[in-house]
Parts: sequence; structure tokens; C-alpha cells
Amino acid sequence: GAGVSQSPRYKVAKRGQDVALRCDPISGHVSLFWYQQALGQGPEFLTYFQNEAQLDKSGLPSDRFFAERPEGSVSTLKIQRTQQEDSAVYLCASSLAGGTGSEQYFGPGTRLTVT
Amino acid sequence: RKEVEQDPGPFNVPEGATVAFNCTYSNSASQSFFWYRQDCRKEPKLLMSVYSSGNEDGRFTAQLNRASQYISLLIRDSKLSDSATYLCVVNIWESNFGNEKLTFGTGTRLTIIP
Repeated sequence: GAGVSQSPRYKVAKRGQDVALRCDPISGHVSLFWYQQALGQGPEFLTYFQNEAQLDKSGLPSDRFFAERPEGSVSTLKIQRTQQEDSAVYLCASSLAGGTGSEQYFGPGTRLTVT
Repeated sequence: RKEVEQDPGPFNVPEGATVAFNCTYSNSASQSFFWYRQDCRKEPKLLMSVYSSGNEDGRFTAQLNRASQYISLLIRDSKLSDSATYLCVVNIWESNFGNEKLTFGTGTRLTIIP
């Protein structure tokens, strides 16, 4: 069965470029999460959607980061004017229900390198 | 202080040995607790949920102590395939609003030595 997919799997961007990272959650999953994982660290929460509503964006590190999920399925994380400190793996996860603590299923991640 | 603290290791353990990991969390509002496993350059995958009563899944046993805000994972008869990073995870959700998020520890790196 199809799990969470993310694209691209790898992205190299020059400092100052804008990037867009895509997440396709498991079909029918209400909740969608974005996490950032730096080397040697655990994933850090960025933002959470329940259907198309962005309920929590408290983890977005700056206003250069923007996420959307306009139709309640596919989500895009956009980073404007990328900086070297944005280099990390960006993980997307989805879960069946929202606000219930149900299991989150992770995609393979997008490894972003900013040069 | 980090919200979820784990010993990063590395733990290098001979095959067949028993190994235990511990983790503490600071937010008493945390509602659910998990151990995730992450292989090198892969995504985290749920290993097991953790309950106050303790729970076991084959060679793996997890325990939660809410009073001490402490979570543990025990692996018995370790296999080479157990080599991975083990992430301690807590979840807080606000059912009225539906808001929730996972908070991860930095992970404990385990290598099983033949």
C-alpha cells in the first residue's frame, strides 16, 4: 500500500534561492505534520495541518518558511531565500485522525543542502 | 533544558546482550509516549507505544513512569538488525482544538557487535 511520499528526495540550493518541498500523505489521513531534522538530532516540529487548516505553525523557524495544504491532501513546504542553516532533512508525517495522539507515519524525507 | 532528554550514546553492545535506554521528559502535560526507531538515512518508524502498565512486544519491553516523567526501553537477546538510533517521543494534543505535536529526543545510537 502507498505510504507517505515526498519529493524531491534530494535538493541542492544556492544560498538565496527559494525551494518548495512536496508531501503526499496517506490517502484519507486528516492530519499532516512537517518536521526538520538536523544531522545528529531528533526531528523538530515545524507545523501541523488538520485537513486544510494549519492549526499550529509555532515551529517554523522564521517567516522565510511557509507551508500550505490547500485541498486538505498534498502539502507544500516553501523556504524563501534559503540560508546554510536551513540544510537539514525535512520530514513529513500523516496520521488518520487529529487531536487524538494516533500513530504518525513518516515519509522518506527531503534532504536539503544549501551551498 | 530540552523537553525530551536521552543519552545520545553510542551504545556498542555484543550480540545476545540485553540493553536498556532511558529518557526523561519535562512537560507533565504529555499524553502519549512512544519509541521510534530510525535507521541511517531513513525515516523514523514507530517501534512501540509506551504505557504506564508497561508493555512488551517480543524482545522489547517499554515502561512509563508518569510520576518521575521517565520512559525506558529494554531490548533482550539483541540482534545485529537492532542496530539503529532509538528515539524517545512524547505527544501532546489538545482534543478541543485538535492541535497536537510530537516532541523527539535526540536519539540514542545503538550498535550491536557480532
